[in-house]
Amino acid sequence: GESVGLHLPTLSVQEGDNSIINCAYSNSASDYFIWYKQESGKGPQFIIDIRSNMDKRQGQRVTVLLNKTVKHLSLQIAATQPGDSAVYFCAETFTGGGNKLTFGTGTQLKVEL
Amino acid sequence: DTEVTQTPKHLVMGMTNKKSLKCEQHMGHRAMYWYKQKAKKPPELMFVYSYEKLSINESVPSRFSPECPNSSLLNLHLHALQPEDSALYLCASSDPGYNQPQHFGDGTRLSIL
Repeated sequence: GESVGLHLPTLSVQEGDNSIINCAYSNSASDYFIWYKQESGKGPQFIIDIRSNMDKRQGQRVTVLLNKTVKHLSLQIAATQPGDSAVYFCAETFTGGGNKLTFGTGTQLKVEL
Repeated sequence: DTEVTQTPKHLVMGMTNKKSLKCEQHMGHRAMYWYKQKAKKPPELMFVYSYEKLSINESVPSRFSPECPNSSLLNLHLHALQPEDSALYLCASSDPGYNQPQHFGDGTRLSIL
């Protein structure tokens, strides 16, 4: 399944499928990006980050892709599990920005059994 | 379990009360942050402390007063709050250099009567 951020704030996928969560950013000066997972009643949890000198970065079951040309970021989750159900936020910042993070609007991921 | 601890987890207060939110981290981070998050919205930055000095104030009303007594502690003093201040208040910490991931606590759920 795939979301398009603002226009599809909820993404429903079947357990075991791959998920793709998208994020568009507006600041062309942004050079550091983070994906966070926020479960109900909890704070945002760091998942993976990527710097602008990279196009792709992989973690455990997650991959982040960065396309600076179109200012687009995506998070791919392989073999989605029920525990992946949460709201996912992308966040951006730029060198010299005082560590000020700007968050995207978020995507609710629902995993169906 | 999060390495950033926030207390209390829940707080209900009247508009004339004075209360404080507390945040503690033992990761050796020298940058700490306060965010406000309304339901179904992304976190919004309020304050940034770097090396125990206030470096960013995002035009937050003076009824919110931050304090950083030492490198491990961050407080948010509240006075004469309004009902619209009801929200989840999140604390985060990071290394103070560029492009460092911020790690969040689970927040204080604040309700103003």
